[in-house]
Amino acid sequence: AQKVTQAQTEISVVEKEDVTLDCVYETRDTTYYLFWYKQPPSGELVFLIRRNSFDEQNEISGRYSWNFQKSTSSFNFTITASQVVDSAVYFCALSGAGSQGNLIFGKGTKLSVKP
Amino acid sequence: DSGVTQTPKHLITATGQRVTLRCSPRSGDLSVYWYQQSLDQGLQFLIQYYNGEERAKGNILERFSAQQFPDLHSELNLSSLELGDSALYFCASSVDLRMGYGYTFGSGTRLTVV
Repeated sequence: AQKVTQAQTEISVVEKEDVTLDCVYETRDTTYYLFWYKQPPSGELVFLIRRNSFDEQNEISGRYSWNFQKSTSSFNFTITASQVVDSAVYFCALSGAGSQGNLIFGKGTKLSVKP
Repeated sequence: DSGVTQTPKHLITATGQRVTLRCSPRSGDLSVYWYQQSLDQGLQFLIQYYNGEERAKGNILERFSAQQFPDLHSELNLSSLELGDSALYFCASSVDLRMGYGYTFGSGTRLTVV
């Protein structure tokens, strides 16, 4: 069975702090993809990143960075110098072989960035 | 604008009623996915269509059904509605079925059953 766990339900930080959102996944597939989506208060789901299971290189995009570690089945997301506009619910998701592209989502982490 | 269009944006209806949610995929995308986001269940995959054919089913209730039409738009029909069906329903589209190809979500339809 496939599963995504986001143990942090809510995180509150003050602007300019760095924050890391944890994501742990379970799958028996050797080929799979991991995703992060952002859901701001307006409700839409915004794609942030896709990573395949064969690419463990960390990725940085502006203030966002992702750390993928197969050894610990984790795909953590760090926001550096957080801003109020980063306040949202962040979802980690998994798509495995045979899934026809369907995503298994974690429960999400609600991030509140206070000025 | 993601290119995936969902209508209506909001829907309020009574228990026992039937509603239809509509999704127009991004231009060129053949695959449509439906997801339900509720407070207790989180984001759950419901059903997937590819070029008019059902390809995968998730946790979709028997009271719910969907189809994809020749012009590739899709409709999700929810019947005998219950209070617990109140949720945000997302449609997503993808050009391909392949795992990890990634897809784009619409802005969702918020259904409130009263």
